[in-house]
Amino acid sequence: AQSVTQLGSHVSVSEGALVLLRCNYSSSVPPYLFWYVQYPNQGLQLLLKYTSAATLVKGINGFEAEFKKSETSFHLTKPSAHMSDAAEYFCAVSDPGNQGGKLIFGQGTELSVKP
Amino acid sequence: EPEVTQTPSHQVTQMGQEVILRCVPISNHLYFYWYRQILGQKVEFLVSFYNNEISEKSEIFDDQFSVERPDGSNFTLKIRSTKLEDSAMYFCASSEGAGVQPQHFGDGTRLSIL
Repeated sequence: AQSVTQLGSHVSVSEGALVLLRCNYSSSVPPYLFWYVQYPNQGLQLLLKYTSAATLVKGINGFEAEFKKSETSFHLTKPSAHMSDAAEYFCAVSDPGNQGGKLIFGQGTELSVKP
Repeated sequence: EPEVTQTPSHQVTQMGQEVILRCVPISNHLYFYWYRQILGQKVEFLVSFYNNEISEKSEIFDDQFSVERPDGSNFTLKIRSTKLEDSAMYFCASSEGAGVQPQHFGDGTRLSIL
């Protein structure tokens, strides 16, 4: 069964530093991949998605992610962290062969940004 | 920008009672979903719904749960005879299509079972 692993339940960076949040998926067939962000007391907001076009995907708020098939990874990066980036980030996958479209989520990574 | 809206934001219910969580998906979307997140755990898929029927459901979605699209705008999740372990944040989502189309989420309903 498909699974998603996010390494590090909590990542802390200084303002202006590089943000790197890791995500690995388990299937041999590349799935559709998504990153969502959740701010306190809010729902999940789509940051970006990979759907088998360009391997480097740009999203909102300066985030981007690179799909690496050989590493079954889809890590999220941002060159320079801002205080407003503090939130929980979820990697999710959808199996292209799945008719129902369900998303399978990683356990989430809480990002803290220090001034 | 169109949003998925969920009501209520917080529901407190006695164990054994029935509860209905309500969602208004984005108007031109065709696929609807419910997920839940137990405190401290990952977001889990419950059910997907398309063309007025369930497309897929998880093992969690047993006979205690049901979904309905009673009219052209609402999408509901009913939980019969609630249990303590049903306490969670429940998220509704909708999408234009399945798979490649991203799902748009509401802000969730926090369900507390006493």
